[in-house]
Amino acid sequence: AQTVTQSQPEMSVQEAETVTLSCTYDTSESDYYLFWYKQPPSRQMILVIRQEAYKQQNATENRFSVNFQKAAKSFSLKISDSQLGDAAMYFCALLIQGAQKLVFGQGTRLTINP
Amino acid sequence: EPEVTQTPSHQVTQMGQEVILRCVPISNHLYFYWYRQILGQKVEFLVSFYNNEISEKSEIFDDQFSVERPDGSNFTLKIRSTKLEDSAMYFCASTLGGANFQPQHFGDGTRLSIL
Repeated sequence: AQTVTQSQPEMSVQEAETVTLSCTYDTSESDYYLFWYKQPPSRQMILVIRQEAYKQQNATENRFSVNFQKAAKSFSLKISDSQLGDAAMYFCALLIQGAQKLVFGQGTRLTINP
Repeated sequence: EPEVTQTPSHQVTQMGQEVILRCVPISNHLYFYWYRQILGQKVEFLVSFYNNEISEKSEIFDDQFSVERPDGSNFTLKIRSTKLEDSAMYFCASTLGGANFQPQHFGDGTRLSIL
């Protein structure tokens, strides 16, 4: 069975600062994908960034980057130059290659302080 | 950009009644999913659907639940004889699928409240 754990229920950061959200996962599979989804209040979940397990290079998308530590089964999200629009619930998720379902963490609520 | 749309945004139903949650996936997508999130808990996979049949379902998805693609655009989740513990946010998702990985796109969700 696969599990995803986000140990930070809530985080806050000053606008323009950098924040890192933690995620650990567990799987015995070797081929999988990891994702960070963002869910603004009353809005749909939007894919922020994804990482293929076979890639050693950490994924980046503009101000968003990940620190993927495969041996440690850790997948943290770094948000640089935080903006007010980054305030949302952030979910870490795991998808096994060839499987159908995303396995989600509990989520981290991120607050941006102006 | 195309979106997954879900209706209604909020559904209030008496316990024991049937409810149908509706989703319109992105038009060229082939794989469809339902997830649910009980308040304060994780988002949980319920079912995936491809080629007009269920391709995978979780333990949660028992005989109380069914899914259907009644026409070329809608994808529905029916919950028969609702229970208090069915109260949750229900998310629909879709993906193109195929040999190259495609991410799942989510709708805004339907908040189901069972009284």
